[in-house]
Amino acid sequence: AQSVSQHNHHVILSEAASLELGCNYSYGGTVNLFWYVQYPGQHLQLLLKYFSGDPLVKGIKGFEAEFIKSKFSFNLRKPSVQWSDTAEYFCAVNARPGTYKYIFGTGTRLKVLA
Amino acid sequence: EPEVTQTPSHQVTQMGQEVILRCVPISNHLYFYWYRQILGQKVEFLVSFYNNEISEKSEIFDDQFSVERPDGSNFTLKIRSTKLEDSAMYFCASSEGQGPNTEAFFGQGTRLTVV
Repeated sequence: AQSVSQHNHHVILSEAASLELGCNYSYGGTVNLFWYVQYPGQHLQLLLKYFSGDPLVKGIKGFEAEFIKSKFSFNLRKPSVQWSDTAEYFCAVNARPGTYKYIFGTGTRLKVLA
Repeated sequence: EPEVTQTPSHQVTQMGQEVILRCVPISNHLYFYWYRQILGQKVEFLVSFYNNEISEKSEIFDDQFSVERPDGSNFTLKIRSTKLEDSAMYFCASSEGQGPNTEAFFGQGTRLTVV
């Protein structure tokens, strides 16, 4: 069965530290990949997405992610986090491009200390 | 910026009661979805809806669940007889289309607590 794994459930960083959140998926075919962020009390917001082309994807708020097909990974990175990045981050895979039946990971709760 | 809105933000209900969760999708969107997240678990797909009918549903979406677009703006999820295990955050989403260049927009969620 298709699945998405986010290995870091809780991450605590100081401001200006670098961030990398892991995401691995299990599916051998063509996939679309997403990272969503949910700030406290707010809706899920798309950070970035990968459909095809350059495997290094840049998103909003200085985030980027790299699709490594051989590792079935789509890790999220940010070189220098801010207190305002405190949120929950979800990786999602769409194993059937053209639909929005996403498969989500369990989420990573990031806390950035000022 | 247009957004998907969900009401209420938090609902507490007694086991066995019916609940209706409401969503107002973005106005020109044609595809609608419900997802849920049980505390500490993954966000799970429940159902997708297009052209006034269910286009796909998951195993979770059994006969206790139903969806409806009662008017031109609302999209509702009804749980007929709630169980304790229905306690979760329910997310509504909508998209303009389903092609690779379209994006699903999510609401802020409704936290359902069944006691």
